[in-house]
Amino acid sequence: SQQGEEDPQALSIQEGENATMNCSYKTSINNLQWYRQNSGRGLVHLILIRSNEREKHSGRLRVTLDTSKKSSSLLITASRAADTASYFCATGPPTPTAGKSTFGDGTTLTVKP
Amino acid sequence: DAGVTQSPTHLIKTRGQQVTLRCSPKSGHDTVSWYQQALGQGPQFIFQYYEEEERQRGNFPDRFSGHQFPNYSSELNVNALLLGDSALYLCASSGRRGLLRPSPLHFGNGTRLTVT
Repeated sequence: SQQGEEDPQALSIQEGENATMNCSYKTSINNLQWYRQNSGRGLVHLILIRSNEREKHSGRLRVTLDTSKKSSSLLITASRAADTASYFCATGPPTPTAGKSTFGDGTTLTVKP
Repeated sequence: DAGVTQSPTHLIKTRGQQVTLRCSPKSGHDTVSWYQQALGQGPQFIFQYYEEEERQRGNFPDRFSGHQFPNYSSELNVNALLLGDSALYLCASSGRRGLLRPSPLHFGNGTRLTVT
């Protein structure tokens, strides 16, 4: 079973609006990562947030982490048509060689021009 | 600085055949993980290689095997292909030798395997 589960499964918004995607997970984590995947291509890392962090920003992206609720959210502000993609959260190991990152099934975001 | 490269990009095989997929990690990375992604789903972890050994394995049968070479590149082999093996196979590299903090995965663009 997947560790991370994204919600909603699909989201459609107009250009310029904000998009919020949520991720819930089941067990304790060391860090949580968000990735973007354009159709049929590889995943691109967006943000990594550690379990002792509550919020992180990168450009138009804002990620929050609530370890008490075992949940995270990704906010994309002022969305653009180019943001159309699938977004995945993944719970990660403490170090690169310590094991796997576990992915959810993603949120498909469509931004209409 | 080359990212993760995978070959081939597309492959069509017949049920029962065997396939080998290849991956070169991002420069400076020494850990390679393989994922299977079925249409409409998230990537599922197959296994991870570090220092030429399989370090962790997901819930995949022994038909799935791999190898890591001294230059950190890796191969994924799948024997006795089933129709259900049709998927996008993603290779991801991470970390530099001895890195002791979290490091994101860097993915290749994958190999699209179709089994008929």
